[in-house]
Amino acid sequence: AQSVAQPEDQVNVAEGNPLTVKCTYSVSGNPYLFWYVQYPNRGLQFLLKYITGDNLVKGSYGFEAEFNKSQTSFHLKKPSALVSDSALYFCAVREGGGSARQLTFGSGTQLTVLP
Amino acid sequence: KAGVTQTPRYLIKTRGQQVTLSCSPISGHRSVSWYQQTPGQGLQFLFEYFSETQRNKGNFPGRFSGRQFSNSRSEMNVSTLELGDSALYLCASSLEGAMETQYFGPGTRLLVL
Repeated sequence: AQSVAQPEDQVNVAEGNPLTVKCTYSVSGNPYLFWYVQYPNRGLQFLLKYITGDNLVKGSYGFEAEFNKSQTSFHLKKPSALVSDSALYFCAVREGGGSARQLTFGSGTQLTVLP
Repeated sequence: KAGVTQTPRYLIKTRGQQVTLSCSPISGHRSVSWYQQTPGQGLQFLFEYFSETQRNKGNFPGRFSGRQFSNSRSEMNVSTLELGDSALYLCASSLEGAMETQYFGPGTRLLVL
């Protein structure tokens, strides 16, 4: 079985400061990891994914994430936060090599960037 | 390319009724997945269709069903609605392959009274 944990329901950061949204995962095989963002009354927007290769993945809107196999983590980061980054962020995992295509999502982290 | 579209965007139904939601995937995408999002349970997988066949199913009662047409468009149906079915229903499409990204539509907000 696969699972994702986002230990922080809420993250507050001042505009211009770096931000980190934490994610840890559990899968039987190799993980395929994804980050999505959701704005109010909207669907999920894809930010970035890790499949294989370089542990540092760069995505949309200046976001990046670091895959750490030993810590089973895939934390989302941005060097300088914007007020417009305020939204709900979801980490998701799929087991690579498995037949299942569905994503298993974390519970989400509400990011608030304070002006 | 146009994104994933879902219709209707909002629905109000009463208990016991049934509802059908529609999803049109991104052109060329043959895999369509459905998810339910609620404040209490978060995002939960309902089912996935590929080439008109249900490939995977989540842990939902049989009142939840779906289908996919030859043009990859998909519908999901919920019969005998319960108050707890009130949720945002999200459809996602992707190319075939476990490495492929799922792209989500805006969702259908269902309110059951």
